[in-house]
Amino acid sequence: QVQLVQSGSELKKPGASVKISCKASGYIFTTYAINWVRQAPGQGLEWMGWINTNTGSPTYAQGFTGRFVFSLDTSVNTAYLQISSLESEDAAIYYCARAHFFSDYWGQGTQVSVSS
Amino acid sequence: DIQMTQFPSSLSASVGDKVTITCRASQGISYFLAWYQQKPGKVPKLLTSAPSILQPGVPSRFSGSGSGTEFTLTISSLQPEDVATYYCQKYNSAPFTFGPGTKVDI
Repeated sequence: QVQLVQSGSELKKPGASVKISCKASGYIFTTYAINWVRQAPGQGLEWMGWINTNTGSPTYAQGFTGRFVFSLDTSVNTAYLQISSLESEDAAIYYCARAHFFSDYWGQGTQVSVSS
Repeated sequence: DIQMTQFPSSLSASVGDKVTITCRASQGISYFLAWYQQKPGKVPKLLTSAPSILQPGVPSRFSGSGSGTEFTLTISSLQPEDVATYYCQKYNSAPFTFGPGTKVDI
């Protein structure tokens, strides 16, 4: 069965970096892109962008350029989201999802907390 | 970029009621719209795509319709387990923007 398993919760200080992993199984990894979605506390879903798992080419939504980087390791069927120079506003749950353009299977989410 | 709006932002209905949620795109997106359900504290779940194709395992009381700029998600007979926030998402072209959500209570 299709599964996306994300890395665990993170507590970081402002200015630090965080790298979230998303390991896919149950399908051929390179046949679907990976979407990244952010959900700030008490807020809605925000599409951050996606990465083509065949070419490694990322697409970032407005507001997620510069400090946000999508990457892959296709040898272990894993996508990554790295956020640098963390700010308090980055505190959120980050989801990866298998992309059919829309998202049919989702990871369990990774909580990122930012506090000094 | 195309903006997505939803209304109402929240609603309260009784068990067995028919519930309709509307999603509007600021420009035409053909049929490239999906609906998601997110129960409190849970991961979002895909309900429909395109927008009337029901995902496997989704109860038949859910249905999606529309094209162009106006879309609806209908719950034909609201059940207690349908308490959730519902989001639409456009996927005709990037950015794949979500609507702001509609919170459904009983």
